[in-house]
Amino acid sequence: EVHLVESGGGLVQPGGSLRLSCAASGFTFSNYWMNWARQAPAKGLEWVASIKHDGSEEHYVDSVKGRFTISRDNAKNSLYLHLNSLRAEDTAVYYCVKGHTPDSWGQGTLVTVSS
Amino acid sequence: DIQMTQSPSSLSASVGDRVTITCRASQGISTYLAWFQQKPGKAPKSLIYAASSLRSGVPSRFSGSGSGTDFTLTISSLQPEDFATYFCQQYNFYPLTFGGGTKVEIK
Repeated sequence: EVHLVESGGGLVQPGGSLRLSCAASGFTFSNYWMNWARQAPAKGLEWVASIKHDGSEEHYVDSVKGRFTISRDNAKNSLYLHLNSLRAEDTAVYYCVKGHTPDSWGQGTLVTVSS
Repeated sequence: DIQMTQSPSSLSASVGDRVTITCRASQGISTYLAWFQQKPGKAPKSLIYAASSLRSGVPSRFSGSGSGTDFTLTISSLQPEDFATYFCQQYNFYPLTFGGGTKVEIK
């Protein structure tokens, strides 16, 4: 069974940084594209970033380009999202999502950007 | 960017009703479309991929159809556990984009 467990969320001031982690199990992590998506409070879903199975290709939504970086460590079955220059509008639950054809989602980790 | 327009944004229905949700893409995406179900406070759950392929374990009352720009999700006989919000997502082009969601409520 696929398990995706996010961690690293919390309260951060505007302009601050965080690193989110996603621990994956139950599948061969190194064979899959992985993604981050987010959902602001009482809002819809927004895709944030994707990374190819070997880390050789990355894609980002325009609103986070230059501020967020997706990465992975296939030896540790882990996905990361480095969030820099955080803004109030980045406040959301961040989800780790498996696959180029998105299937399994983690339970999410809440990032709150506020002074 | 490809815009995904879902309709309706909400609907009220009774147990046993047939429910249809539509999703329209601003340009052709072939069949690179997924549907998700989300209940309050929970992560989304994948229902359908490739426009019409049912994920393992998803009840057969759920079905999807369409290609190009117009897609539908149908629940043939609404069950109490189906009251939730449904989202479509295209994964043909970056940035990947979601529809705004359809909230299915109890009439």
